[in-house]
Amino acid sequence: GNSVTQMEGPVTLSEEAFLTINCTYTATGYPSLFWYVQYPGEGLQLLLKATKADDKGSNKGFEATYRKETTSFHLEKGSVQVSDSAVYFCALSYGSSNTGKLIFGQGTTLQVKP
Amino acid sequence: DTGVSQDPRHKITKRGQNVTFRCDPISEHNRLYWYRQTLGQGPEFLTYFQNEAQLEKSRLLSDRFSAERPKGSFSTLEIQRTEQGDSAMYLCASSLNANTEAFFGQGTRLTVV
Repeated sequence: GNSVTQMEGPVTLSEEAFLTINCTYTATGYPSLFWYVQYPGEGLQLLLKATKADDKGSNKGFEATYRKETTSFHLEKGSVQVSDSAVYFCALSYGSSNTGKLIFGQGTTLQVKP
Repeated sequence: DTGVSQDPRHKITKRGQNVTFRCDPISEHNRLYWYRQTLGQGPEFLTYFQNEAQLEKSRLLSDRFSAERPKGSFSTLEIQRTEQGDSAMYLCASSLNANTEAFFGQGTRLTVV
């Protein structure tokens, strides 16, 4: 069946460090891929998305590229800030026809220290 | 637009009791989704509605769970005869239609004692 696997956390970085959070997926067909972020005390927010192979999603300095050949959607940021501390979830949907029905990874906690 | 609203934010109940949660989606959003999230895990899909029609239910949604969206606006999720294993965060999300972004509420945290 369809599934998403994320690297285990927590990930602890110093401010201005480079961030990578790995995400791989298993899916039939051509899913859309997402990164959601959950800041402390808040609901899940969409960070970025990609709907087809080789698409790059980007937002707030974060980027992820849909790699069909490696079934991956790794999240990267060149220079993290303390305000980026949150839990990050990789997710897929069953194509573009139902983007609210999502399969999530287990989440990766990021802690950025000043 | 105040976002997706869920009520209550926290609920503590005794095993065997019934509980009901409410979700108010963003105005004019046709799709509404319910998820469950346990500690340290990602959200798991439970069910979704297109307007008032419940189109799909996950196998996670046992017979003790029922969801409604009677007028295609707010939705309720009821759990009957709660068990300790029902303790989780219950998340609601809505989207304008089938292929637009889902917006999540802050969730209702249920603790069954």
